[in-house]
Amino acid sequence: QKEVEQNSGPLSVPEGAIASLNCTYSDRGSQSFFWYRQYSGKSPELIMFIYSNGDKEDGRFTAQLNKASQYVSLLIRDSQPSDSATYLCAVNTGGFKTIFGAGTRLFVKA
Amino acid sequence: DAGVIQSPRHEVTEMGQEVTLRCKPISGHNSLFWYRQTMMRGLELLIYFNNNVPIDDSGMPEDRFSAKMPNASFSTLKIQPSEPRDSAVYFCASSPFSGRGNEQFFGPGTRLTVL
Repeated sequence: QKEVEQNSGPLSVPEGAIASLNCTYSDRGSQSFFWYRQYSGKSPELIMFIYSNGDKEDGRFTAQLNKASQYVSLLIRDSQPSDSATYLCAVNTGGFKTIFGAGTRLFVKA
Repeated sequence: DAGVIQSPRHEVTEMGQEVTLRCKPISGHNSLFWYRQTMMRGLELLIYFNNNVPIDDSGMPEDRFSAKMPNASFSTLKIQPSEPRDSAVYFCASSPFSGRGNEQFFGPGTRLTVL
């Protein structure tokens, strides 16, 4: 079992819809959770982080964490074509090391 | 503010040659990470440093790979000798380690092609 798992996609949604990206992790001791966005040919950039169970909202983005189920998700409301990218889930188990998932490709159709 | 700086941005070399990739982290950040990204394997952590000290190099694929951080503002990743399977994008990232996990800031990457 991979430490951080994501559906590789592609996930295709129409413009204006809600995109839901999911991630599961194996280490119950994981403490910090991150979502990075990576455009084709570019470097990953941090868009959200969450430490506690529940929801965290930032503009059109909402991160959701359920530690009991070892599950973290990212919701993108009012999806735009500019949101088309690969979204990487990253999990930190404490200390310096962060494990990245393989990423989910998102396509937002105009 | 300047972000993480990497050089060169592109490198094309022949098998057997030595390759040196360079990174300047964000000023004040005390953690530095080297990653390799390929379509097949995704983003792989190679090595990370804290306060210029290598903490974990278990991701370094072979002895052909080595990394140094002689001071807080500079790090190198060296491949000697290079092989075609080393072709990938190499990212450097830095982090202001806060003790609750680290938000990492990535450089633009170096695209390495080994012929």
